[in-house]
Amino acid sequence: SAVISQKPSRDICQRGTSLTIQCQVDSQVTMMFWYRQQPGQSLTLIATANQGSEATYESGFVIDKFPISRPNLTFSTLTVSNMSPEDSSIYLCSVIQGNTEAFFGQGTRLTVV
Amino acid sequence: TQLLEQSPQFLSIQEGENLTVYCNSSSVFSSLQWYRQEPGEGPVLLVTVVTGGEVKKLKRLTFQFGDARKDSSLHITAAQPGDTGLYLCAGLTTDSWGKFQFGAGTQVVVTP
Repeated sequence: SAVISQKPSRDICQRGTSLTIQCQVDSQVTMMFWYRQQPGQSLTLIATANQGSEATYESGFVIDKFPISRPNLTFSTLTVSNMSPEDSSIYLCSVIQGNTEAFFGQGTRLTVV
Repeated sequence: TQLLEQSPQFLSIQEGENLTVYCNSSSVFSSLQWYRQEPGEGPVLLVTVVTGGEVKKLKRLTFQFGDARKDSSLHITAAQPGDTGLYLCAGLTTDSWGKFQFGAGTQVVVTP
């Protein structure tokens, strides 16, 4: 299984600022996925990050708010821009192996005050 | 609208009791996964099922994939406090391009 390191694990940020979350995988992967999860709830896909091309965003998420970088096959970042308290959530990166199994980082718990 | 309907949303049981969590859909899945997530952690993969009618056992956990590959269940026998967590089902359809559909999750609490 893939080992995914995500940081920071948690942060408390002021509204109006931005936070960049990093995701490092121990193997090369074509696609990386970024999810948002409200506490105790399920996961909502934000975008799919492919190396060498722009990320593909799901309905309700836009690049200006959640810019994503994918400089190589083992690394990606998600930035939460111009944060408001409504952005308080857990953010998770994920990769797929064997075309059937998803593996997740430990998540970044973001609190916007 | 959730593609995968997961039930119940919440389960609170005593140690030693059994429980079952269900995941249903009108769509056919090429594979379906079950995850457990504990507070402050990302979801951890428990099992993947790919064949209709498949049954997999993981110690006290039994996973079943429906014959039509539209539904699945997770059964825990003699639950222990360590089984407490958020259980998520997730499925891949043939045209989902690697994007998993997640159920809403079932919060399981097992008290001693």
